[in-house]
Amino acid sequence: ELKVEQNPLFLSMQEGKNYTIYCNYSTTSDRLYWYRQDPGKSLESLFVLLSNGAVKQEGRLMASLDTKARLSTLHITAAVHDLSATYFCAVGGRASGGGADGLTFGKGTHLIIQP
Amino acid sequence: KAGVTQTPRYLIKTRGQQVTLSCSPISGHRSVSWYQQTPGQGLQFLFEYFSETQRNKGNFPGRFSGRQFSNSRSEMNVSTLELGDSALYLCASSIGVQETQYFGPGTRLLVL
Repeated sequence: ELKVEQNPLFLSMQEGKNYTIYCNYSTTSDRLYWYRQDPGKSLESLFVLLSNGAVKQEGRLMASLDTKARLSTLHITAAVHDLSATYFCAVGGRASGGGADGLTFGKGTHLIIQP
Repeated sequence: KAGVTQTPRYLIKTRGQQVTLSCSPISGHRSVSWYQQTPGQGLQFLFEYFSETQRNKGNFPGRFSGRQFSNSRSEMNVSTLELGDSALYLCASSIGVQETQYFGPGTRLLVL
């Protein structure tokens, strides 16, 4: 059974600081996603990572994937208040859930960025 | 291009009743997946449909069912509602299977 673990689950940081969210998964998979969720809202797609060593950047967010270590990171550079949200990583592909193509999500990282 | 739409947005039911939720995918998307989100269990995969066929199903009881129509719209049904079915139900669409999924706003179901 595929397990996806995120840490930390809660993070409070100050504007201007850098930080990294980690996402570990337990079995081989061919794709990893990062989503953002604002309170009371749905999930917004941030990144999809498809291969070992993949790195994607959008603004102050950068995501990377190490398939050998089964680890993805979401790095926040010079955080601003608008980035406050819950961030989820999700793993998909044939290896997830006993052959299902459905995504298996981590529990999410609740990020608060204080001015 | 319009995003994924879900109706209704909010719903209150009582135990034992049944409920049907609807999802309209992004135009051109043929795959629709459903997820349940609760504070305790997080986001859990319910099922996925592609070209009117259920491709995969998560670990949920048979009370949870769904279908997809020829225009890719999808419905999910929960029969004999239980208190624990209270959750945010999210629908996601993608162009095909194993492609990036785009989520709708969700239907918030409260079972009393």
